Amino acid sequence: SQTIHQWPATLVQPVGSPLSLECTVEGTSNPNLYWYRQAAGRGLQLLFYSVGIGQISSEVPQNLSASRPQDRQFILSSKKLLLSDSGFYLCAWSRQVKNIQYFGAGTRLSVL
Amino acid sequence: EDQVTQSPEALRLQEGESSSLNCSYTVSGLRGLFWYRQDPGKGPEFLFTLYSAGEEKEKERLKATLTKKESFLHITAPKPEDSATYLCAVQAGSGNTPLVFGKGTRLSVIA
Repeated sequence: SQTIHQWPATLVQPVGSPLSLECTVEGTSNPNLYWYRQAAGRGLQLLFYSVGIGQISSEVPQNLSASRPQDRQFILSSKKLLLSDSGFYLCAWSRQVKNIQYFGAGTRLSVL
Repeated sequence: EDQVTQSPEALRLQEGESSSLNCSYTVSGLRGLFWYRQDPGKGPEFLFTLYSAGEEKEKERLKATLTKKESFLHITAPKPEDSATYLCAVQAGSGNTPLVFGKGTRLSVIA
């Protein structure tokens, strides 16, 4: 069976510090991978998605970047965090053919 | 632009009181409509996918239906453990088009 791992579960970072959130998928190959941010009252906002190694599509221009160094690894990064980067970050995967997305447990990021 | 609107924003039910959640959508060429359940502080959990108008799917006390403009999530005789936020999402077009999510309906079932 397939599983998705996302860490850390919670993170408190000062403004201006770097960020690295990691997501890995097990039990499947060549998945589509996604990063979302969820803010209260705003629903799920798609940040980045990837259909293959090194292929990243950005949905919202902002202070964040994403990379896919390996087939089942997706990383969300920032060089300098802003207060507005606080939120609940979710990683998801789907098969290439069917687009049912399966989500990780999420990371609660607080930028202070 | 593809849009998904969920109503109501919040719903409070007594245990056993059946009701429906609505998801209306505007897309160019619906490829699939998805329902998820999200508990506080956790990632969304997949419930159903509907692909064409008239399609219905059931799981325990939940039943999802689809028309050309909207989907309903019917909850029959809910229990407190059904309390969660229910998210609706659509996929339009073809290939790897990302899902577009609604803001969700926050359901509270009181014993």
